[in-house]
Amino acid sequence: EAGVTQFPSHSVIEKGQTVTLRCDPISGHDNLYWYRRVMGKEIKFLLHFVKESKQDESGMPNNRFLAERTGGTYSTLKVQPAELEDSGVYFCASSRQGASTDTQYFGPGTRLTVL
Amino acid sequence: GENVEQHPSTLSVQEGDSAVIKCTYSDSASNYFPWYKQELGKRPQLIIDIRSNVGEKKDQRIAVTLNKTAKHFSLHITETQPEDSAVYFCAAKDNYGQNFVFGPGTRLSVLP
Repeated sequence: EAGVTQFPSHSVIEKGQTVTLRCDPISGHDNLYWYRRVMGKEIKFLLHFVKESKQDESGMPNNRFLAERTGGTYSTLKVQPAELEDSGVYFCASSRQGASTDTQYFGPGTRLTVL
Repeated sequence: GENVEQHPSTLSVQEGDSAVIKCTYSDSASNYFPWYKQELGKRPQLIIDIRSNVGEKKDQRIAVTLNKTAKHFSLHITETQPEDSAVYFCAAKDNYGQNFVFGPGTRLSVLP
């Protein structure tokens, strides 16, 4: 099966600009997660969708971050306006619903650099 | 909330030697513990996982042990090879949440 894909792979923007990251989960996976890894630190949870609903967004750092998953397929994560501390690698992961929800498959990540 | 610590942060071993990475967690309700390997520039890949009803799990050269009482779990890699060089992340999850709490990662270097 095709894996989780993310676009773009890299993004370089200036402080104050807007960036939108996209994640396409594995087909049929209801659960979609966004994580972020900043400057070699741990991978931190941002939020979790079940289909189109936000199940848990406790990890979202502030209201400059907006995630959507209209239609319950792909998801976007918008950062507006971007700040320097938003730089990092943003990972998306997906998992099945039901008994196999534990295994999360990660995308390749989007490396965001805010100048 | 859950807190996961991981040691060491970097580890260098000679090819053929064993490598051990240890993680501790704080929430006794956590019951699923995956290990991910991330090679340079690539996505994190699940390499092995263990659930709280099992004390040890092995898959060829890699094994994971879990001590629920002490709330720690370890990754063991035997007969290391250069391609084992990567950053390894441990994580913990409980029944209530669906998201993982990750450790900070261990950079493993296998020297030829």
